Amino acid sequence: EAQVTQNPRYLITVTGKKLTVTCSQNMNHEYMSWYRQDPGLGLRQIYYSMNVEVTDKGDVPEGYKVSRKEKRNFPLILESPSPNQTSLYFCASNRQGFRYEQYFGPGTRLTVT
Amino acid sequence: GQQLNQSPQSMFIQEGEDVSMNCTSSSIFNTWLWYKQDPGEGPVLLIALYKAGELTSNGRLTAQFGTTRKDSFLNISASIPSDVGIYFCAGDAGGTSYGKLTFGQGTILTVHP
Repeated sequence: EAQVTQNPRYLITVTGKKLTVTCSQNMNHEYMSWYRQDPGLGLRQIYYSMNVEVTDKGDVPEGYKVSRKEKRNFPLILESPSPNQTSLYFCASNRQGFRYEQYFGPGTRLTVT
Repeated sequence: GQQLNQSPQSMFIQEGEDVSMNCTSSSIFNTWLWYKQDPGEGPVLLIALYKAGELTSNGRLTAQFGTTRKDSFLNISASIPSDVGIYFCAGDAGGTSYGKLTFGQGTILTVHP
């Protein structure tokens, strides 16, 4: 089954404790993105990747890092999480040439206390 | 950055009623998209519009790309309980190879049986 998976689905952590949210897709898509969803703000792009070793900032990249060492994986790293990073996070992927047909993962709900 | 204003923010309707929602922008978009997010899931693409004035249907859903290229509309006819969810508009202003999307704030739809 074609899908985007994220882990963990739920995470509660404390300020300053480094964490990684994993994202994996099995569709051989070139493009992958991370979004955060906050009430009243819709989805805002954090980082995106056009292919292996090619990443760039989205609209709200501060406090986040990403890497793309393999085509299928695109982890999101919070080096020193803060409470304002409490949010619902989505990973998405799409195939080159089908740039609007983004497939979204199920989401990771992160709470930073 | 670019912003999309989506309205209404929420709707409470009876099963069988028709629904209308819209999205406006201060700048021109080349593509308009409508996504639906079911509770606990990631957004799923419903309709994509690529041309000003275009009217596209997907079952009971109809969406239009405004002639000014600054707005889009989504209509749902004869609503049913499974239409419940959050509907997002998204736009692509062009200029990137992978389709950088800007999302509206979302419309929360509740359908009473």
